Amino acid sequence: AQSVSQHNHHVILSEAASLELGCNYSYGGTVNLFWYVQYPGQHLQLLLKYFSGDPLVKGIKGFEAEFIKSKFSFNLRKPSVQWSDTAEYFCAVTGGGADGLTFGKGTHLIIQP
Amino acid sequence: GAVVSQHPSRVICKSGTSVKIECRSLDFQATTMFWYRQFPKQSLMLMATSNEGSKATYEQGVEKDKFLINHASLTLSTLTVTSAHPEDSSFYICSARDTGNEQFFGPGTRLTVL
Repeated sequence: AQSVSQHNHHVILSEAASLELGCNYSYGGTVNLFWYVQYPGQHLQLLLKYFSGDPLVKGIKGFEAEFIKSKFSFNLRKPSVQWSDTAEYFCAVTGGGADGLTFGKGTHLIIQP
Repeated sequence: GAVVSQHPSRVICKSGTSVKIECRSLDFQATTMFWYRQFPKQSLMLMATSNEGSKATYEQGVEKDKFLINHASLTLSTLTVTSAHPEDSSFYICSARDTGNEQFFGPGTRLTVL
């Protein structure tokens, strides 16, 4: 079975600061990796995904993530955050023949204006 | 992106009653849908995988007779919580997978069992 660990449960940043949210997974086989965002009162939306190829993937709204296989990591980054980035961020993985997503516990990001 | 709806968005029921939650893919066909459960301040936990025209696959620890899943068409999956009890109170979220292997999530259903 796979598991996903998100290191930061709550992050508070000022606007224009750089962001990096950590995500590690445990599974030795081929995985598909995702970052989802949930804005207040809204449903989950896909930020970006990695299936194969270039380990640096770019998503919507200026987000990117880097898959480092040797570290079992898929950290999310954004060079300059905005107030509108305030949301809950979830890292998720599928793999091992399982189709459903295994989610991390989420990171609550608050951007102060 | 693709749209997935859930109905109802919120339901309150008495203990012992059954509740049906619908999940619909509005602008695409989904042979596979998924049901998740989210407890307050916790992450989503996969409950089951719903495949059109066949029996659902349940995750370990999820009672299939308690959480009945029917995926009768390519755009509709239903989750019925049978004989609901207060411990079943939770936020239930469905997703539908498109041909590109991406899952689109519904807005969720808040179930409160009194």
